[in-house]
Order: sequence, then structure tokens, then C-alpha cells
Amino acid sequence: QVQLVESGGGVVQPGTSLRLSCATSGFTFADYGMHWVRQAPGKGPQWVALIWFDGSIKDSADSVKGRFTISRDNSKNTLYLQMNSLKAEDTAVYYCAGDPWGGNGYLDSWGQGTLVTVSS
Amino acid sequence: EIVLTQSPGTLSLSPGERATLSCRASQSVNNNYLAWYQQKPGQAPRLLIYGASSRATDIPDRFSGSGSGTDFTLTISRLEPEDFAVYYCQQYDSSPRTFGQGTRVEFK
Repeated sequence: QVQLVESGGGVVQPGTSLRLSCATSGFTFADYGMHWVRQAPGKGPQWVALIWFDGSIKDSADSVKGRFTISRDNSKNTLYLQMNSLKAEDTAVYYCAGDPWGGNGYLDSWGQGTLVTVSS
Repeated sequence: EIVLTQSPGTLSLSPGERATLSCRASQSVNNNYLAWYQQKPGQAPRLLIYGASSRATDIPDRFSGSGSGTDFTLTISRLEPEDFAVYYCQQYDSSPRTFGQGTRVEFK
């Protein structure tokens, strides 16, 4: 069955870095666009970044541009999010999600999320 | 940026009743690239509807989506106990992808 498993979250201080991973199985990862979506405590989801199926196109929200970098390794069926210069407002559960249209579509599969807490 | 406004914020209903949830966009969502998700406490969102009206895999037919342009609706024809949750709309027409703020469907 389809599985997406995030890892790498934790408690970090402002200004530091963290790298999230999303290991996937049960679907053809190389055909899927992949997204990161975050959800702050008690808030709705916020789209963070996307990468097309072949890695050729990347996009991200203005709030993370220049600080977060999305990448993927299709040989390992794994998605990454490198987060630098973390701020308190980046505190959230981070979900990876799959886009069956290769990068242009909706999110039909989600991981269970990993919590990132940015606090001094 | 397309802003999605959902209403009402909370819907208080009983099992068996009909739920009608609205999602209004600040500008036209081309090609009806609008999705609906359900989220229960402690869980990830789950895709219900894409393309404004197409049900995702394994979604019961009591869930239906409609609308076009700037006005979209999610209807749950007869609420089951497991349907009490928060529902979000999301547009994937343009960047940044945006979500509505959610409608909570709670027990009356």
C-alpha cells in the first residue's frame, strides 16, 4: 500500500538548520510530484514547497524562499526538505504529500507528519 | 495569490443530516483545479474531491463536490459519525497553492 514516512523533526533553536526526509513506497515515486505542507498548532494547512516528478521544476512559498530547499532522490524514493535560518513561525507539523500529476495537481497521498519546534 | 474563504467556520449538525460547505476564491480557479480534504484530530488531511467534483479513490458517494470559477461547494448528503471532522479546500491552479481556513463539522 502507499506509504509516506517523514522523519527528521525535532526541537531546534532559532537560526539553526534541520533536514527533513520523506521515505515513500507503494507507488511509482518517479512519476509523482512531491510537496511539503505544514500545519502550525491549531491552524490550517499551509503549502510550503513542491518539486516536479523529475526534479526539473521547484517552487516554494514566499515565507520560506531563500531559506528552505526541496529536493528528491528518485533512486531512493525519498523526498527532502533542507530548512535553514529557522524561525519561531516555522514551528509546525510538516507533511510530505504526493501529486499524481507530476507537480501540477492535487495531493492524493500524505504522510503522518513530523513535528518541528523552533524555540530558544 | 488566490485567497480561499470557507464558510461557515463551524457547522453543528446531527448524524443523518445534510452538510453544505462553501469555498469562495478571490479570483477564478481555472480548470476547476480545486480539491477538498478531510482532517481528523491527530491525522493528516485526506483527499476527498479533486477537480471540484471528482471523488478520490474509496471515498463514499455521500460526498460530492460542485461549483466552478470562484464558488465551490462540498456536500455530505447524510452525515455518518465518522464524518465529523474539519474540511479544507485547496486550489492547485496557481502558485502559491493555497488552502482555505477550514470548516469544522461538529455534533449538534
